[in-house]
Amino acid sequence: KAGVTQTPRYLIKTRGQQVTLSCSPISGHRSVSWYQQTPGQGLQFLFEYFSETQRNKGNFPGRFSGRQFSNSRSEMNVSTLELGDSALYLCASSLDPLWGLPTSTDTQYFGPGTRLTVL
Amino acid sequence: AQSVTQLDSHVSVSEGTPVLLRCNYSSSYSPSLFWYVQHPNKGLQLLLKYTSAATLVKGINGFEAEFKKSETSFHLTKPSAHMSDAAEYFCVVSGGSQGNLIFGKGTKLSVKP
Repeated sequence: KAGVTQTPRYLIKTRGQQVTLSCSPISGHRSVSWYQQTPGQGLQFLFEYFSETQRNKGNFPGRFSGRQFSNSRSEMNVSTLELGDSALYLCASSLDPLWGLPTSTDTQYFGPGTRLTVL
Repeated sequence: AQSVTQLDSHVSVSEGTPVLLRCNYSSSYSPSLFWYVQHPNKGLQLLLKYTSAATLVKGINGFEAEFKKSETSFHLTKPSAHMSDAAEYFCVVSGGSQGNLIFGKGTKLSVKP
């Protein structure tokens, strides 16, 4: 079974531009979550999508948005890029949503990430 | 609210010696706990997870972790380190109303020959 794939793997943008990242989950997985990883802040949760609905959102500004398609593929968009948005963006998929399931036992499987550099 | 603290930012061991990576958690619920590993320029790989079954959890590559509720700990161990174990390790707690994963800051494991 193929793993989580993310495209592109590397991106270089300039301040003020916008960017769209793509994530294809493992076949059959319906939940997709996005994370930002930086040396300073570590790994932080961005948002989770399940059945084309955003289930939960982390503490990020509105410039960060996402969506999920009927085939569970997800895209993340960052508008008006800032230097601080330079990070590794990780996507993870799971069978079921994590939101609302305090004792969820499901496991998230991570993709290799997209390395975004903002100049 | 959930939180997780990895007590060491960097651990260095010699090849063939035991590994201990420490993790304490805080949770309002019975938590699910995970350890992930991240090799340089790679994504995160699940090592093992605890989901309120057996308190001693065995994972891949010879790693295991013990859930100790009284100590709110979930330390990761391996009897004998291998050079390929050099990576960053993340302790993670899930659950609660946020429904997302809370990551520790990570512990970088170095293995000396």
